[in-house]
Amino acid sequence: GQQLNQSPQSMFIQEGEDVSMNCTSSSIFNTWLWYKQDPGEGPVLLIALYKAGELTSNGRLTAQFGITRKDSFLNISASIPSDVGIYFCAGQRAGTASKLTFGTGTRLQVTL
Amino acid sequence: SQTIHQWPATLVQPVGSPLSLECTVEGTSNPNLYWYRQAAGRGLQLLFYSVGIGQISSEVPQNLSASRPQDRQFILSSKKLLLSDSGFYLCAWSVLGQATSGNTIYFGEGSWLTVV
Repeated sequence: GQQLNQSPQSMFIQEGEDVSMNCTSSSIFNTWLWYKQDPGEGPVLLIALYKAGELTSNGRLTAQFGITRKDSFLNISASIPSDVGIYFCAGQRAGTASKLTFGTGTRLQVTL
Repeated sequence: SQTIHQWPATLVQPVGSPLSLECTVEGTSNPNLYWYRQAAGRGLQLLFYSVGIGQISSEVPQNLSASRPQDRQFILSSKKLLLSDSGFYLCAWSVLGQATSGNTIYFGEGSWLTVV
């Protein structure tokens, strides 16, 4: 099935650094979601975005719904070791009967 | 509050054996239900989704089937497993929100299937 273009694929950063990742699509989405998945567990919802231009924060996480409705980014400020995991973006296109399209994931590693 | 639970958490099955993964949702009614598969180190692939009892849509041709015998129960099955069926299977649910809140999907804990 279709997947979103998510980048970077992986990141190795030092504790305290800021992180930025993004997703792009050739299709217009009316919902953007960001999930984090720890090894062996299901993805956990971090931030949900429902309006173009919307900027939403959740603690050290900030995500934005792109104005064109074809992209979204997630920023993590002052990373800590527990931020390690795989981050997925997901989008819902209008008229897709509640189905989400997922990005390929960004694997984040944090070193001390 | 809503909760989702799937089981078993892990299983090892021989090729050709049957499969049954079960998922239940509590605290909501008439949810949309989903089965996803995740191969090791890769993204999520939607296998089936259901908008109501007995209503199943298949996204990809495969060796698996799904059933929804009750409003909050979703079952993933196979009559004869293949090696390629190995993976991490995730059940998920959602409820269509208001116009301003959109649709959000929540995942279960996942089930690791190894076909040997």
